[in-house]
Amino acid sequence: QLQLQESGPGLVKPSETLSLTCTVSGGSIRSMSYYWGWIRQSPRTKGLEWIGTIYYSGSTFYNPSLKSRVTISVDTSKNHFSLNLNSVTAADTAIYYCARDWNYGSGIFDVWGQGTLVTVSS
Amino acid sequence: DIQMTQSPSSLSASVGDRVTISCRASQGISDYLVWYQQKPGKVPKLLIYGAATLQSGVPSRFSGSGSGTDFTLTISSLQPEDVATYYCQNSNSDVFTFGGGTKVEIK
Repeated sequence: QLQLQESGPGLVKPSETLSLTCTVSGGSIRSMSYYWGWIRQSPRTKGLEWIGTIYYSGSTFYNPSLKSRVTISVDTSKNHFSLNLNSVTAADTAIYYCARDWNYGSGIFDVWGQGTLVTVSS
Repeated sequence: DIQMTQSPSSLSASVGDRVTISCRASQGISDYLVWYQQKPGKVPKLLIYGAATLQSGVPSRFSGSGSGTDFTLTISSLQPEDVATYYCQNSNSDVFTFGGGTKVEIK
């Protein structure tokens, strides 16, 4: 059974870089039809926001509202993918989820990690 | 970006009631519409994709309809375990956007 697990610091200082990793277990990140995404949820508003998506080849596409600050990368040897978000502010405080997009990057997320709360504060 | 607007933002209904949640896209997205259920303290769960295709394992009391800009999620007979927030999401383009959510409670 496929499982995703986010890991990384729970506290990041303003203006610094938020870095998270999503480890995939129970399946290969190199699967032909699967893409892998990051989504976040504000603890205040509960709104969901898609951050970006990556294919195992390294091909990416990002939310234009975050594109200038986001990098998503993949390490197939470790079966994981990562998120870097730079120049963070309090507005980036959120639960960050990684998820599988099961149909060629079509935006249908069928398996989610448990999520990790990242707080931006000095 | 395509904006997704859900209504109502919350509702309260009795067990056994028929519940409908609306989702409107700011421009036409054909049937590229996904619904998720998020129970309190839990991770979002895929319910419906392609506007009307039920994800495997989802109870048949859930159904989705619509095309273009207007979509509906229906729970035919509300159950206590359906207490959750429901989100729609546009999957039409390379920019995926979510509605603000509809919180469903039991009266």
